Amino acid sequence: AQKVTQAQTEISVVEKEDVTLDCVYETRDTTYYLFWYKQPPSGELVFLIRRNSFDEQNEISGRYSWNFQKSTSSFNFTITASQVVDSAVYFCALTYSGYALNFGKGTSLLVTP
Amino acid sequence: DTGVSQDPRHKITKRGQNVTFRCDPISEHNRLYWYRQTLGQGPEFLTYFQNEAQLEKSRLLSDRFSAERPKGSFSTLEIQRTEQGDSAMYLCASSSSRTGGRDEQFFGPGTRLTVL
Repeated sequence: AQKVTQAQTEISVVEKEDVTLDCVYETRDTTYYLFWYKQPPSGELVFLIRRNSFDEQNEISGRYSWNFQKSTSSFNFTITASQVVDSAVYFCALTYSGYALNFGKGTSLLVTP
Repeated sequence: DTGVSQDPRHKITKRGQNVTFRCDPISEHNRLYWYRQTLGQGPEFLTYFQNEAQLEKSRLLSDRFSAERPKGSFSTLEIQRTEQGDSAMYLCASSSSRTGGRDEQFFGPGTRLTVL
């Protein structure tokens, strides 16, 4: 069985602070894929990143960075210098099959001016 | 470049009525997915099509639910004899297997169903 845990339900930060969203996963599969999606107040899920289980390199994209550690089964997401537009619910997801995504419950991020 | 579209965006119905939702995927995408999202939860997988074939169905998809993708393009999700517990956002997503699979799923805006 696969499971994704996002222990942080809500996070509130002041603009320009750095914030890390935690994601811990469970799977027995040796090949799997991890994702992060953003769901802004408008409601539409937006893809952020995909990582496969064989690639543990961290990735940076602008103000976003991801830290994948198989040893701790974690795939954490950091936003540097947060902005009000980053306010959204962020979901971590896992799949072995490539189609049925198993989502966590999400972390609601509020960035205030 | 049009994304995934869903119709209607909102549906209010009375318990016991049947409802049908439509999803139009991104035109070149051959994979289509349905998810359900309730308040405060992440989306839950319901079913998956590759072209017109329905290849996977979740246990969440009870006998009252049926999905089709007759020509491998748009898809419909029908709920018969709706119950209040069916109230949720129904999300459609699409992706392409032609770029090696495991690609990101592009989500539509969803159909919010309220069962009174």
